[in-house]
Amino acid sequence: DIQMTQFPSSLSASVGDRVIITCRASQSINTYLNWYQQKPGQAPKLLIYTASSLQRGVPSRFSGSGSGTDFTLTINSLQPEDFATYYCQQSYKDPRAFGQGTKVDIK
Amino acid sequence: EVQLEQSGAEVRKPGESLKISCKGSGYNFVNYWLAWVRQMPGKGLEYMGRLYPADSDTRYSPSFQDQVTFSVDKSITTAYLQWRSLKASDTAIYYCARPGALGGLDVWGQGTTVTVSS
Repeated sequence: DIQMTQFPSSLSASVGDRVIITCRASQSINTYLNWYQQKPGQAPKLLIYTASSLQRGVPSRFSGSGSGTDFTLTINSLQPEDFATYYCQQSYKDPRAFGQGTKVDIK
Repeated sequence: EVQLEQSGAEVRKPGESLKISCKGSGYNFVNYWLAWVRQMPGKGLEYMGRLYPADSDTRYSPSFQDQVTFSVDKSITTAYLQWRSLKASDTAIYYCARPGALGGLDVWGQGTTVTVSS
């Protein structure tokens, strides 16, 4: 099975900061990588699919990049509503595993 | 509007059985895979597997194979997640979610909280 590793597991940031979260796959997944945001008490929300495509309605301060095994989610100019936990997920091969999550909280 | 509506919270004792549901609406239900995701209290998302309603093709994650059963009733556009004998460690929120054409889970149910306690 493909393992997904995210880092860091948590970070503290301020409003206006640029935040970068990294996700690494245990083998090449081409660009079959998705990013989600989850706030407490809510279902996850798809932000980015196929590594760099922005889901409809997601603000353009979110961006994704990478291919093969290494991927990043960048949040430019962090906003108060962006404090949440972020997950990557591969959709290259079953089982379509998630990373362990990165919690972004207020510095 | 595309929606997945999940059944309400459940409380069961260890050893009991349970079936929770996920009803799709606003799209061609039978032609989209439907995935299940577990989130244990205070923990991350775990991918359980997926089912294709048109032919009931099912792909379980090894961690959940033989622990749960996915099923579907196409006539009422509803998918199910079932346990034969619950354990305390099954206590979690269970989400159903629809993968879009390129694999990202673009529609999510609101989650069903399952509590297993004696």
